[in-house]
Amino acid sequence: AQKVTQAQTEISVVEKEDVTLDCVYETRDTTYYLFWYKQPPSGELVFLIRRNSFDEQNEISGRYSWNFQKSTSSFNFTITASQVVDSAVYFCALANRDDKIIFGKGTRLHILP
Amino acid sequence: GAGVSQSPRYKVAKRGQDVALRCDPISGHVSLFWYQQALGQGPEFLTYFQNEAQLDKSGLPSDRFFAERPEGSVSTLKIQRTQQEDSAVYLCASSLPRFTAGELFFGEGSRLTVL
Repeated sequence: AQKVTQAQTEISVVEKEDVTLDCVYETRDTTYYLFWYKQPPSGELVFLIRRNSFDEQNEISGRYSWNFQKSTSSFNFTITASQVVDSAVYFCALANRDDKIIFGKGTRLHILP
Repeated sequence: GAGVSQSPRYKVAKRGQDVALRCDPISGHVSLFWYQQALGQGPEFLTYFQNEAQLDKSGLPSDRFFAERPEGSVSTLKIQRTQQEDSAVYLCASSLPRFTAGELFFGEGSRLTVL
């Protein structure tokens, strides 16, 4: 069975602090894809990143970075120098070859000014 | 339009009524997905189309839920004899086939409240 666990339900940090959102996944497939999506208060899910299971290289995009570790089945997301606009619900997600994406329950992130 | 469009944005139904939710995907996107998002939860997969073919409907919670995409573009999610537990935001997403663009594009959702 496929499963995505985001153990942190809610996190609050003060602006400019770094914050890491955890994601642990379960799958029996050797080929799979991992995603992070952002859901701001407007409700529309916004794609942030996609990784495939064969590419464990970490990625950095501006203030965002992702740490993919197959050994621990984790795909963690770090925001450095957080800003108030980063406040949102963040979802980690997993898909195998049949295109169905399974989402975690999300982490609500509050960035306090 | 440029993005995925869903209508209505808000729907209030009395228990037992039928509802229909519409999704206009991005032009040229072959794949279309429906998700259900309850308050405070992550999106739960309902069903998936590739063109007009419904390839997976394993997430539809009961036979009261029905989705179609007859011409491979616009899709409709129909819920018959609505129940209170059907209250949720219904999200539609589209993509080029098999993650060639690497992402799903989501609409803003249709919020259904069943009284």
